[in-house]
Amino acid sequence: QSVLTQPPSASGTPGQRVTISCSGTTSNIGSNSVYWFQQLPETAPKLLMHRNSQRPSGVPDRFSGSKSGTSASLAISGLRSEDEAAYYCATWDDNLSGLVFGGGTKLTVL
Amino acid sequence: QVQLVQSGSELKKPGASVTVSCEASGYRITDSAMNWVRQAPGQGPEWMGWINTNTGNPTYAQGFTGRFVFSLDTSVSTAYLQIRGLKADDTAVYYCASRLTAGTGIYAFDIWGQGTMVTVSS
Repeated sequence: QSVLTQPPSASGTPGQRVTISCSGTTSNIGSNSVYWFQQLPETAPKLLMHRNSQRPSGVPDRFSGSKSGTSASLAISGLRSEDEAAYYCATWDDNLSGLVFGGGTKLTVL
Repeated sequence: QVQLVQSGSELKKPGASVTVSCEASGYRITDSAMNWVRQAPGQGPEWMGWINTNTGNPTYAQGFTGRFVFSLDTSVSTAYLQIRGLKADDTAVYYCASRLTAGTGIYAFDIWGQGTMVTVSS
């Protein structure tokens, strides 16, 4: 069972906006920056968001991140078929003294 | 081209050891810490810890002490993960990952190896 809680699945049609949540506690999300990674099938994860809401160079502005209290969210607007992937949140956990990941959300583009 | 290239898939028997290599190219391996991440089949990633590529000092995450060893050979720009006393539940893809872009947070892994599948089966 993961320290960070994500919904196992999400879906949307092309052009829609979808949001993926990530719930934690005061020892992790509540006190540290959140990262988001995208993982296409059979590939390594790719950094999608850092410092809660900052996009690395090359990540489209259709992707946005936010954090409030002990929860974080990743929003994808203008959904495209190539966005179909697994999405993972991650952050440092002060109690565990380690980086922890969410269980992942599998996004399906209908 | 900046990349991390890992060694190929491994099939091992329980109790054996395995070493996974991760060669950095296109940048100096000493510029950034090297992290290791495990991903069991159908599961999310698990952070295993990191090695300081300047001092060679490893730090292991909870659950990855004792049988797991991180090491480094800067002369060939390569980091290594050794797993001793393999168990069936060590079956997973193992990734090396690093952060190259400054100012993004130390766990903003923007470069990943392609992954090495380690299968433990009798």
